Amino acid sequence: GAGVSQSPSNKVTEKGKDVELRCDPISGHTALYWYRQSLGQGLEFLIYFQGNSAPDKSGLPSDRFSAERTGGSVSTLTIQRTQQEDSAVYLCASSLNFAETQYFGPGTRLLVL
Amino acid sequence: GESVGLHLPTLSVQEGDNSIINCAYSNSASDYFIWYKQESGKGPQFIIDIRSNMDKRQGQRVTVLLNKTVKHLSLQIAATQPGDSAVYFCAENRVIQGAQKLVFGQGTRLTINP
Repeated sequence: GAGVSQSPSNKVTEKGKDVELRCDPISGHTALYWYRQSLGQGLEFLIYFQGNSAPDKSGLPSDRFSAERTGGSVSTLTIQRTQQEDSAVYLCASSLNFAETQYFGPGTRLLVL
Repeated sequence: GESVGLHLPTLSVQEGDNSIINCAYSNSASDYFIWYKQESGKGPQFIIDIRSNMDKRQGQRVTVLLNKTVKHLSLQIAATQPGDSAVYFCAENRVIQGAQKLVFGQGTRLTINP
């Protein structure tokens, strides 16, 4: 597609379950970023990939969060043992090259009951 | 600590009027800024960006002004339309020890009144 896509668009899960969120960046974009947006708040940076490697993982909230990117394209963000405070919109963005304009996907709305 | 902040959380303007959304930043080493528009239920949408070697940049109905002396930037929207109603975020693109982070302000909700 022409833009960044994310799936699922909505996810409701029970506390303690694991969830996996997927991001398909714009074709040819080498850099990929994950953010979290709580209701009515700004965006919180989580992690970014340059190719398949993640140079900076310091933004991940806890060790329950992990992300990977394979083949320089699709990325998955995994949250283990979800907690209610994990409820938020998880946004993915990509850019052609590192430190260039980022284009965002529609987000995945996660609700942990 | 470093921050990117907005002066006003909400702004209401009449349709057809011009609007100005302001943003302050504190990291004097920052050299790249972006404005994003976020409509309800959607991801942020790139509007316009500006680098620190510029004071002004214009797009279609939008202008971004950068004042490095007072570390302030603004987004001007001309002849506002109902479709301009959204939350607007300024963001500061920082490269720290080779790692890029996009630091967002809290956002300003713009409402266009008919």
